[in-house]
Amino acid sequence: AQTVTQSQPEMSVQEAETVTLSCTYDTSENNYYLFWYKQPPSRQMILVIRQEAYKQQNATENRFSVNFQKAAKSFSLKISDSQLGDTAMYFCAFMKVGGYQKVTFGTGTKLQVIP
Amino acid sequence: DAGVIQSPRHEVTEMGQEVTLRCKPISGHNSLFWYRQTMMRGLELLIYFNNNVPIDDSGMPEDRFSAKMPNASFSTLKIQPSEPRDSAVYFCASSLSGDPGNEQFFGPGTRLTVL
Repeated sequence: AQTVTQSQPEMSVQEAETVTLSCTYDTSENNYYLFWYKQPPSRQMILVIRQEAYKQQNATENRFSVNFQKAAKSFSLKISDSQLGDTAMYFCAFMKVGGYQKVTFGTGTKLQVIP
Repeated sequence: DAGVIQSPRHEVTEMGQEVTLRCKPISGHNSLFWYRQTMMRGLELLIYFNNNVPIDDSGMPEDRFSAKMPNASFSTLKIQPSEPRDSAVYFCASSLSGDPGNEQFFGPGTRLTVL
């Protein structure tokens, strides 16, 4: 079974600054995907970024980037130039290849962007 | 595409009553997931279907909970009888299995309050 751990229940960052959210996972699988989902106060879950385990290059989506360390089983999310709209709960998630797209979620990090 | 549709958005009921939550997945998606989200327990996977067949219902809390997927475009989650501890936000999500890395798309959730 896979586990996903987010050790930071809450974080805050000043608008325009950079923040990094941590995530570690445990698995015996070699082929998998990792995701970061965002849940704003509207509670709609939105995919932020995805990383394929067999790709060494870190994924980037505009202001969002990841630091994927496969050996350390670490998958952090960096948000640059933080905006008020980034205020949300962020969930790290794991999906093994070939598992009906079942996803294991972490407990989430609540991020507050301060004006 | 309208995305994943859930109804109702809000449900308030009294203890002992039957509650039925509904979900319409994205057209063409063949995997469907039901989650429950609470402050205490985070995001829990209750059950998921692939090609309308239940694959894993080990997350269903007890026999009071049941889920069906009679066809590819409709699923229900039923709680009978409901209890106050069932109060939570229930999410439905869908994805297209068979293509590794496809993310889950979430509906807006149903906020259930059992008095």
